Amino acid sequence: AQRVTQPEKLLSVFKGAPVELKCNYSYSGSPELFWYVQYSRQRLQLLLRHISRESIKGFTADLNKGETSFHLKKPFAQEEDSAMYYCALRGSGGSYIPTFGRGTSLIVHP
Amino acid sequence: EADIYQTPRYLVIGTGKKITLECSQTMGHDKMYWYQQDPGMELHLIHYSYGVNSTEKGDLSSESTVSRIRTEHFPLTLESARPSHTSQYLCASRRQGGNNEQFFGPGTRLTVL
Repeated sequence: AQRVTQPEKLLSVFKGAPVELKCNYSYSGSPELFWYVQYSRQRLQLLLRHISRESIKGFTADLNKGETSFHLKKPFAQEEDSAMYYCALRGSGGSYIPTFGRGTSLIVHP
Repeated sequence: EADIYQTPRYLVIGTGKKITLECSQTMGHDKMYWYQQDPGMELHLIHYSYGVNSTEKGDLSSESTVSRIRTEHFPLTLESARPSHTSQYLCASRRQGGNNEQFFGPGTRLTVL
């Protein structure tokens, strides 16, 4: 079975501080990992995926297979980063149905 | 413009009523999904579909049913609404192949009294 764990329900930082939203997963095969974001009154949307190895809005995430983690990081948080962040895993076999974590609410104070 | 639509956006209804939550997408996607979203909880997959006449139940036990008669339409029906069905319902779609990104609708906030 595949599982995604986001240990923090809420993360509160000040503007300019570094941010790390944690995501750990369990999956026996080769997973595909994603971060989705939901800003206030907006839809859930893709932020980034590990395969593309890109930086979006200053966020990066590295897949660490040894630690089974996919933490989302940003060196300097901005107020507009305040949102709900969901980590998601898609298995490499079977029905390819993604599994989402419970989400972490990030609040960036001015 | 290609998009994914959900109606109604908000619904307050009494216990025992039959309701249908609508989801339509003009993105030409084969795969469609219904999720239940509650604060502080995982997004729970309720139903999914790989294409016309294909429907499967997700990991969350639900008294709901879905149909996929047309590619663009994936309605969710609750035969008898209960207070435990109070939640946010998200519809999503995905293109076959591609980068596996799911596109989400705006959601329907359902309250059952």
